[in-house]
Amino acid sequence: NAGVTQTPKFQVLKTGQSMTLQCAQDMNHNSMYWYRQDPGMGLRLIYYSASEGTTDKGEVPNGYNVSRLNKREFSLRLESAAPSQTSVYFCASTPSGIHTDTQYFGPGTRLTVL
Amino acid sequence: SQKIEQNSEALNIQEGKTATLTCNYTNYSPAYLQWYRQDPGRGPVFLLLIRENEKEKRKERLKVTFDTTLKQSLFHITASQPADSATYLCALDTMDSNYQLIWGAGTKLIIKP
Repeated sequence: NAGVTQTPKFQVLKTGQSMTLQCAQDMNHNSMYWYRQDPGMGLRLIYYSASEGTTDKGEVPNGYNVSRLNKREFSLRLESAAPSQTSVYFCASTPSGIHTDTQYFGPGTRLTVL
Repeated sequence: SQKIEQNSEALNIQEGKTATLTCNYTNYSPAYLQWYRQDPGRGPVFLLLIRENEKEKRKERLKVTFDTTLKQSLFHITASQPADSATYLCALDTMDSNYQLIWGAGTKLIIKP
């Protein structure tokens, strides 16, 4: 059981480049999330997917798009990267998406945009 | 504005003592509060969840309290060990923010031998 996996672990982009962050979970969870973590700030939700086939915006969705490819996989795409998107990105999943669920996180992707 | 606050300064504690971390919030009507541990270069790991009608929750050396009057949660680690050194995050679920937890920035705990 790998839990939540993310690729790549590190990435450097130039302004304007695009890339997709991949996330997969093997726990048969229904809900998946993308967060960004910046120094001195709490985790901020970018997008989430309550169940396969649905996605919704979180607190900071601008500049990002997501795809819930199937129950296991949830990808985050930066179409035109900006320096403000330099951050650590975490994918998480929860069994049902109910409020008492605990979140299971991946190891993160450290993204630098020059 | 709504916000959740944790001490931004690192907390240094002598091994064997009790470490107490604070999570304060404003303008929320919380239903649940969760505590997570985050080690450098890793994702957060869940520790404890406490409901608004629970005053205290324990798990081994960990204890969480939740005071909705003071709008505060305290997280205690008794008999602290160097291996407890990490950043601890609190996250609030208000039931108003569908599927969304509101996260504090975390407090870095350093346990000195």
